[in-house]
Amino acid sequence: EDKVVQSPLSLVVHEGDTVTLNCSYEVTNFRSLLWYKQEKKAPTFLFMLTSSGIEKKSGRLSSILDKKELSSILNITATQTGDSAIYLCAVVLPNTGNQFYFGTGTSLTVIP
Amino acid sequence: NAGVTQTPKFRILKIGQSMTLQCTQDMNHNYMYWYRQDPGMGLKLIYYSVGAGITDKGEVPNGYNVSRSTTEDFPLRLELAAPSQTSVYFCASSASNQPQHFGDGTRLSIL
Repeated sequence: EDKVVQSPLSLVVHEGDTVTLNCSYEVTNFRSLLWYKQEKKAPTFLFMLTSSGIEKKSGRLSSILDKKELSSILNITATQTGDSAIYLCAVVLPNTGNQFYFGTGTSLTVIP
Repeated sequence: NAGVTQTPKFRILKIGQSMTLQCTQDMNHNYMYWYRQDPGMGLKLIYYSVGAGITDKGEVPNGYNVSRSTTEDFPLRLELAAPSQTSVYFCASSASNQPQHFGDGTRLSIL
């Protein structure tokens, strides 16, 4: 069974558009939720969220956690071609040896 | 800073061959992980380790073995390579409740 579900699976937008990526999870007790960006090689860390309702922001990217709805969103404003990547969401469960459960990712393509 | 280093970057194996994927980290992290990523899929955990001498199975451990004799190194061994093990393998490390740092991956093809 999938613990972490991301939507949409893929998305194509034009430069300058704003996108919202979704991550929903099936566990009610977790330590943190993380977002990663994966281009050609290894995933790189974007955000770690532990508290509901507190937005984290880095430049044009922002993310927020909604523990009541068991979901998180990643927003990217004024998209650029360099934002093209797979965006991965992961949940860290307690008492699991710090295991991360990853979703299948959202593939974002930004066209000029 | 090296971070997490994986070798080799690419490898082609014949069915039935064995090999070891190397992973080393220089951040003194207790936690280390091995994932595989198939096309269009997320990361599936193969094995993980919470410290030297301690390893445990993840979601997809069959066909693989690991060891953790030092904090720095966490090699992954394939004993009898099968076509289903064709994938990209990522090693990662982290401190407790901190983001994982990933290596650049090993692209493995089994023919």
